[in-house]
Amino acid sequence: QKEVEQNSGPLSVPEGAIASLNCTYSDRVSQSFFWYRQYSGKSPELIMSIYSNGDKEDGRFTAQLNKASQYVSLLIRDSQPSDSATYLCAVGSSNTGKLIFGQGTTLQVKP
Amino acid sequence: EAQVTQNPRYLITVTGKKLTVTCSQNMNHEYMSWYRQDPGLGLRQIYYSMNVEVTDKGDVPEGYKVSRKEKRNFPLILESPSPNQTSLYFCASSKDRTYEQYFGPGTRLTVT
Repeated sequence: QKEVEQNSGPLSVPEGAIASLNCTYSDRVSQSFFWYRQYSGKSPELIMSIYSNGDKEDGRFTAQLNKASQYVSLLIRDSQPSDSATYLCAVGSSNTGKLIFGQGTTLQVKP
Repeated sequence: EAQVTQNPRYLITVTGKKLTVTCSQNMNHEYMSWYRQDPGLGLRQIYYSMNVEVTDKGDVPEGYKVSRKEKRNFPLILESPSPNQTSLYFCASSKDRTYEQYFGPGTRLTVT
């Protein structure tokens, strides 16, 4: 079992729809959770961080964390073609002292 | 502006010719790391540094060296590059190993 798992996609949604990206992790004592956006050939860009159970909203982005079920998700409302990118989930654990990246989910927003 | 810089951004070289990719951050971060990214393999950590003079291997350290003589700089050294080191390389920095990491713009390396 991979430490951080994401569906590679592509996830295709129409413009204006809600895109839902999911990530599961195996280390129960993970404490920090991040979402990065990466355009092709560019560097990962941090878009959301979340540390406690529940939802965290920032503009069109909402991160959701459920530690009991060991998943973290990212919702993108009113998806735009410019949101088309690969989204990386990263999970950190003070126990292991690591930040582990998932392989990413490719999102395609069709006009 | 808080940033991580890398140089060069693009490099084409030949097998066996030593090269160095520089990385510098201006955020006073203690933790710095190098990754390579290849299609289908995701981000793989090469080396990391917890602080000045403290470095350790990541998941794919073979063929690479690093040094951390100053807090802001963390160069990646390929003493004898080979074609299997052709990749996209990212430097990242963070205040701590499990906190959000900030990435440099990347260096695309081609070894022929």
